[in-house]
Amino acid sequence: EAQVTQNPRYLITVTGKKLTVTCSQNMNHEYMSWYRQDPGLGLRQIYYSMNVEVTDKGDVPEGYKVSRKEKRNFPLILESPSPNQTSLYFCASSLSKIKADTGELFFGEGSRLTVL
Amino acid sequence: AQSVTQPDIHITVSEGASLELRCNYSYGATPYLFWYVQSPGQGLQLLLKYFSGDTLVQGIKGFEAEFKRSQSSFNLRKPSVHWSDAAEYFCAVGGYSTLTFGKGTMLLVSP
Repeated sequence: EAQVTQNPRYLITVTGKKLTVTCSQNMNHEYMSWYRQDPGLGLRQIYYSMNVEVTDKGDVPEGYKVSRKEKRNFPLILESPSPNQTSLYFCASSLSKIKADTGELFFGEGSRLTVL
Repeated sequence: AQSVTQPDIHITVSEGASLELRCNYSYGATPYLFWYVQSPGQGLQLLLKYFSGDTLVQGIKGFEAEFKRSQSSFNLRKPSVHWSDAAEYFCAVGGYSTLTFGKGTMLLVSP
């Protein structure tokens, strides 16, 4: 089954404790992206990757890191989490760049992170 | 910079009634436009997309949307709403490498 898998789905952590949210897709997609969703703000892009070893900042990259060592994986790293990073995070992938007829995004089910 | 406005935060529709969700976008070139739906506790699912051609596009679950360049709009419609359509709906505009979402419209369906 084609899917985007995120782990963990739920996490409560404390300020400053490094954490990683994993994302894996099995569709051989080139494009991957991380979004955060907050009430009243919709989805905002954190980072994206057009291909292996190619990553770039989205609209809200501060406090986050990513890597793309393999095509299927795109982990999101919070080196020193803070309470303002409490949010619902979504990983998404696409066959190609967004501005293309194959540019639809496939989303994971989300990871709800709480930072105390 | 590209942007999307969804003017309605919440909309309540009676089951069986028609639905129209509004979306206005700002983009400097020909836009790629999308509507996604998010059911509670789920990720987003693509309903339909427009990238060229016919300005009326059909999607899944009986939804359609019409692209109007003169109004910078891409409104979502459904002729008869079902209770299972209750969800949050997001309009989005696609640039080369980024997808910018509106803040969403929560659809409530009353019996």
